[in-house]
Amino acid sequence: DGGITQSPKYLFRKEGQNVTLSCEQNLNHDAMYWYRQDPGQGLRLIYYSQIVNDFQKGDIAEGYSVSREKKESFPLTVTSAQKNPTAFYLCASSMGLPWDNEQFFGPGTRLTVL
Amino acid sequence: AQRVTQPEKLLSVFKGAPVELKCNYSYSGSPELFWYVQYSRQRLQLLLRHISRESIKGFTADLNKGETSFHLKKPFAQEEDSAMYYCALIDSGAGSYQLTFGKGTKLSVIP
Repeated sequence: DGGITQSPKYLFRKEGQNVTLSCEQNLNHDAMYWYRQDPGQGLRLIYYSQIVNDFQKGDIAEGYSVSREKKESFPLTVTSAQKNPTAFYLCASSMGLPWDNEQFFGPGTRLTVL
Repeated sequence: AQRVTQPEKLLSVFKGAPVELKCNYSYSGSPELFWYVQYSRQRLQLLLRHISRESIKGFTADLNKGETSFHLKKPFAQEEDSAMYYCALIDSGAGSYQLTFGKGTKLSVIP
């Protein structure tokens, strides 16, 4: 199904390497978000972007970076500075409007750092 | 800072029994609250939002500002209700519409 796609589904990297997770949406949404989901921790916001060429840090931005060069794309880079990168990463998007702020989620990417 | 608490990690009920998933929040402003659900092998998706005052799949949730709660209820549980449920609060006052999630409750409906 379309909407929001994340690739790859599974990703393995060696410790010390940077890795970029892809997130694409065809919903024409202005706002996009990255969350990290750990067992027993719920979802925690990493970064979000309300408009192209603008993004803001979430609650756990350290060790991560993002870019928003196109409306439909919001890639996340997990850098070597992230102390515990192994996790399940979820991307979401929304209209970003007060009257329509439902977030739509992608299928997720499971990153394992060896 | 706002916080969302879901006190139960796991809730098991028998089919046909009533269900109540608890959610408490702390927020200084006027909150917007949601319930999101993740069924097995499916994406996380919105179940309902308090502002709509709707019933989805038989679930309802009432915002109780006095008790700062937004519990999710269903009178008769079905097997297909088994899923992970997340309560979430939006910080609309910040103008960014960030969602703060609780840690989730796994609902297991026993046949």
